[in-house]
Amino acid sequence: EVQLVESGGGLVQPGSSLKLSCVASGFTFSSYNMHWIRQAPKKGLEWIALIYYDSSNKYYADSVKGRFTISRDNSKNTLYLEMNSLRSEDTAMYYCAKSGTTRGDFDYWGQGVMVTVSS
Amino acid sequence: DIVLTQSPALAVSLGQRATISCKTNQNVDYYGNSYMHWYQQKPGQQPKLLIYLASNLASGIPARFSGRGSGTDFTLTIDPVEADDTATYYCQQSRNLPWTFGGGTKLELK
Repeated sequence: EVQLVESGGGLVQPGSSLKLSCVASGFTFSSYNMHWIRQAPKKGLEWIALIYYDSSNKYYADSVKGRFTISRDNSKNTLYLEMNSLRSEDTAMYYCAKSGTTRGDFDYWGQGVMVTVSS
Repeated sequence: DIVLTQSPALAVSLGQRATISCKTNQNVDYYGNSYMHWYQQKPGQQPKLLIYLASNLASGIPARFSGRGSGTDFTLTIDPVEADDTATYYCQQSRNLPWTFGGGTKLELK
């Protein structure tokens, strides 16, 4: 059974940093591209970052480019999102998601972790 | 960026058909595939993949769900609608980065 479990969220002040983790199980983690997607309270879904299976390529939404860094450790089956210079508009539920091969869909999602940026 | 437009809400009766539309401002077809996908999200839960590449049913999804369309016009159909289908439905394109989602359609029962 595929499982994705996020952690590391919380309440932080504007301008601060936070690192999210997503531990994967139930599939060969090192073979799949992975994503971070977020959802502000009562809002829709926003894709924010993609990392290839071998970390060879990384892509970001303009809203987080230069502030967030996606990474992975295939030996630990873990995906990361390092978030710097956090703003109030970064307040959201953050989901990690597995890529459905090369189709570009997200075939499995974690339960999400909440990040609140507020003074 | 490719913009996806969905109607905010739809109300249908139990046992009837629900048709949810998604229109894009750019063609999302490429080499015979339509890079459009559909998700269901219930309150307090993560989204779940329903349909990939416009018309392919994801694993474990009942055949009451179907998708069709190409180019810039896509639909998700639920027939017949069951009480458990009340949720918000999102379309998503993967033709071009950044991947983008529609604003979501909230399906309610009459």
